[in-house]
Amino acid sequence: DGGITQSPKYLFRKEGQNVTLSCEQNLNHDAMYWYRQDPGQGLRLIYYSQIVNDFQKGDIAEGYSVSREKKESFPLTVTSAQKNPTAFYLCASSPQSRSSYNEQFFGPGTRLTVL
Amino acid sequence: SQQGEEDPQALSIQEGENATMNCSYKTSINNLQWYRQNSGRGLVHLILIRSNEREKHSGRLRVTLDTSKKSSSLLITASRAADTASYFCATRGSSNTGKLIFGQGTTLQVKP
Repeated sequence: DGGITQSPKYLFRKEGQNVTLSCEQNLNHDAMYWYRQDPGQGLRLIYYSQIVNDFQKGDIAEGYSVSREKKESFPLTVTSAQKNPTAFYLCASSPQSRSSYNEQFFGPGTRLTVL
Repeated sequence: SQQGEEDPQALSIQEGENATMNCSYKTSINNLQWYRQNSGRGLVHLILIRSNEREKHSGRLRVTLDTSKKSSSLLITASRAADTASYFCATRGSSNTGKLIFGQGTTLQVKP
């Protein structure tokens, strides 16, 4: 099956710990994105990557870090510097960001809770 | 930053009725997309309308776009209980980054 996967589905973190959320896609998409969703809210962009070994900050990048060493993988690390990390995290990909009309394909999400 | 607002925030209707959701945005766009999200799940793309289009249909979905008013509407006709979900509009600007800016969403409940 082609698609985008995220793991784990649920993640619990103690305060002061860094955690890494996985995002993998086998759709051969160039662009990948990380969003944060808080209850009853829309999505806010954390980081995005248009090509391997390159990524850009989104609107709320503070306290997060990413890497894009492989086309199919775009892991997100939530660091201890993120003051309010409890949220639902969504990863997405799209075929080619420079194409004007591409939709984004979303993974199932990871729910992170800080204990 | 959020591009705009969706209205209403919540909508409850009976099965068979039509549901209309509205989206307003602030800056010029290349296209506007609508997504659906079932509770606790990822988003699924429904339909895309380009800035030079005024109306688009897909099955029971009808989307309109008024760039002069910076607004769009999503109409779901003959709703079903399975349409219960949150619906989000997302706008793509004129840059080449591929970034989408999402609205706050409308939560739709369709009662059987």
